[in-house]
Amino acid sequence: QKEVEQDPGPLSVPEGAIVSLNCTYSNSAFQYFMWYRQYSRKGPELLMYTYSSGNKEDGRFTAQVDKSSKYISLFIRDSQPSDSATYLCAMSALTGANSKLTFGKGITLSVRP
Amino acid sequence: EPEVTQTPSHQVTQMGQEVILRCVPISNHLYFYWYRQILGQKVEFLVSFYNNEISEKSEIFDDQFSVERPDGSNFTLKIRSTKLEDSAMYFCASSVRGQSYEQYFGPGTRLTVT
Repeated sequence: QKEVEQDPGPLSVPEGAIVSLNCTYSNSAFQYFMWYRQYSRKGPELLMYTYSSGNKEDGRFTAQVDKSSKYISLFIRDSQPSDSATYLCAMSALTGANSKLTFGKGITLSVRP
Repeated sequence: EPEVTQTPSHQVTQMGQEVILRCVPISNHLYFYWYRQILGQKVEFLVSFYNNEISEKSEIFDDQFSVERPDGSNFTLKIRSTKLEDSAMYFCASSVRGQSYEQYFGPGTRLTVT
């Protein structure tokens, strides 16, 4: 089983739709869960992070972590064409010098005007 | 807003040649990382660096790879003898306190090995 799996996509939605992006993982040591956004030929840009289980909201974005199911989600409300990008989930077991990130493959989202 | 910068944006090299990819992390950051992304695949961790030494490296980071912080601002990744399979985007990241949720990525260097 791969350490982090992400729905492959691509995903196309109309403007204003609610988008749900998901990742599953197998390593129960993961404690930190991040969502990155990546535009074409650019580096990943941190959107949100969550420590352990729970929800976190930031404007139109909500991140959820369910450690018992090893499942994380990112919800985007009232999606906009500017949200069109590739979304990557990333996870880490540790913090400090050894805080390497393990990424999902990413899903490309297109929001149609 | 401070950002991580990387040069060059695109590097083309022949198989067997040495390449050096350069990064300037955010100025007050102390932890540095290299990741790579082969076209169509995941972003993969290569190496982390703190206090002038490697903290952790992945299986990909073999003897052909090395990292250096030659001065107070640059962080470099050297590939001694490039292979075709080294073709990828290479991303540098930095973090002020080493928190996994505070890694800021540069725009990447696209390495093409012919």
